[in-house]
Amino acid sequence: ELKVEQNPLFLSMQEGKNYTIYCNYSTTSDRLYWYRQDPGKSLESLFVLLSNGAVKQEGRLMASLDTKARLSTLHITAAVHDLSATYFCAVETSGSRLTFGEGTQLTVNP
Amino acid sequence: SAVISQKPSRDICQRGTSLTIQCQVDSQVTMMFWYRQQPGQSLTLIATANQGSEATYESGFVIDKFPISRPNLTFSTLTVSNMSPEDSSIYLCSVSPIGPSGRYEQFFGPGTRLTVL
Repeated sequence: ELKVEQNPLFLSMQEGKNYTIYCNYSTTSDRLYWYRQDPGKSLESLFVLLSNGAVKQEGRLMASLDTKARLSTLHITAAVHDLSATYFCAVETSGSRLTFGEGTQLTVNP
Repeated sequence: SAVISQKPSRDICQRGTSLTIQCQVDSQVTMMFWYRQQPGQSLTLIATANQGSEATYESGFVIDKFPISRPNLTFSTLTVSNMSPEDSSIYLCSVSPIGPSGRYEQFFGPGTRLTVL
C-alpha cells in the first residue's frame, strides 16, 4: 500500500522567512502534484512534477522532485500572509489515481 | 484547465436517506474520479468513474454504498446511499484532461459539503 507522508503537518512562520515542506512516498512514481486548499474551498493545482529532478517555481513557491529518494519538497521563500493555507502533495499511481499526504497547515504571521 | 461544476454545493440530510451529487465538466475528459475529504482530513479516492462501464472502487468503498454513473465524457454522478453521520464529508470530483504540456494533469471541482444528521 502506497504511503505518502508530509512534514511538518503544522507550520507557523513569520512573514519574510523561508521554509520547506517535505513529502515522502513509499513506492515508485513519476508524477507528483502539489495542491493548495483554503478553508472551505476546493483544491487549487500548484505544480505537477513529471520526472526525476523536476523543479518548478511560481512566485514565492518552488517545488522539486527526487524520484530516487521518493521525496518532493515545496520551498517557501519570504513568506507572506496570503500564503496561509493547507498544502497537499499527491502521488499518482496506475490509472491516474492520486494518493494524498496528510496536508501541511501553514500559517504566516505578520 | 477544465472547468468543473458540482451540484449541490452543500446539503444537510437525514440519516438513512440518499443524496446524488452531480459533476459536470466543460470539455470531454478521459478520466473522472470521486474523492472524499472528511472533516479536518486529507482526501481519499473513492472510485474511478469509467465511461460506459462500472466504476472501479478503492479498498473500503463499495458500489452499494456509493453507486456511480458516467453516461458520457463530461458528466458523472455519485450517490451516497443510506447515509449516516459518518458520511458527513466534502465530496469532490476530479478530472484528468490532457494539459498544455501534453501530459495528464488533475483538476478538482468545487466540492459538495454534506452534513448528515
